[in-house]
Amino acid sequence: EPEVTQTPSHQVTQMGQEVILRCVPISNHLYFYWYRQILGQKVEFLVSFYNNEISEKSEIFDDQFSVERPDGSNFTLKIRSTKLEDSAMYFCATIQGGTENSPLHFGNGTRLTVT
Amino acid sequence: AQTVTQSQPEMSVQEAETVTLSCTYDTSESDYYLFWYKQPPSRQMILVIRQEAYKQQNATENRFSVNFQKAAKSFSLKISDSQLGDAAMYFCAYRIRGTGTASKLTFGTGTRLQVTL
Repeated sequence: EPEVTQTPSHQVTQMGQEVILRCVPISNHLYFYWYRQILGQKVEFLVSFYNNEISEKSEIFDDQFSVERPDGSNFTLKIRSTKLEDSAMYFCATIQGGTENSPLHFGNGTRLTVT
Repeated sequence: AQTVTQSQPEMSVQEAETVTLSCTYDTSESDYYLFWYKQPPSRQMILVIRQEAYKQQNATENRFSVNFQKAAKSFSLKISDSQLGDAAMYFCAYRIRGTGTASKLTFGTGTRLQVTL
């Protein structure tokens, strides 16, 4: 079964550094999402992306965050200047589209540790 | 705003027994989807079961079934014949219908299920 692939699986960075988290969606999927999960807490929506633009974003997704799909395949989340509180598991998810009850396919996540 | 509440931080069940995980939600919408996701120690999020709010019949997937009570805004997950591989974090989630495919999921805080021998 096709999978959503995320790289790296674990990223350690120093506070203030920029990080880019990468996601390769399932090939015929059209809708992309980033979610994050701080350790021991619930999964929180960050942003949704369709047709090369942001569809919706949460309060968490401030000016430090950006998303893009630069080459038509990878879907990236960039954090410009990381803070300690950005340490979390970041999940990419995709939907094929076409019908609203299409299931969301999650990647295995990237664990971001900011020191 | 929609909220999802899981009041059981942890549950335990013996192998082969049945367990029910609770979920309640708050919404002013009449049409929506509800989901249960499983997150094993590998941290991957796996869809277990989903329910369309306009369907009265409770969804069933093999050993997993739901008890959907729309008036009470309750959506519990029943796991029958529990197996060691069912041990995981379980998240209840909600999604509005009719706002397009890009609409977000809202998750509860999760219930950690332990399965004992």
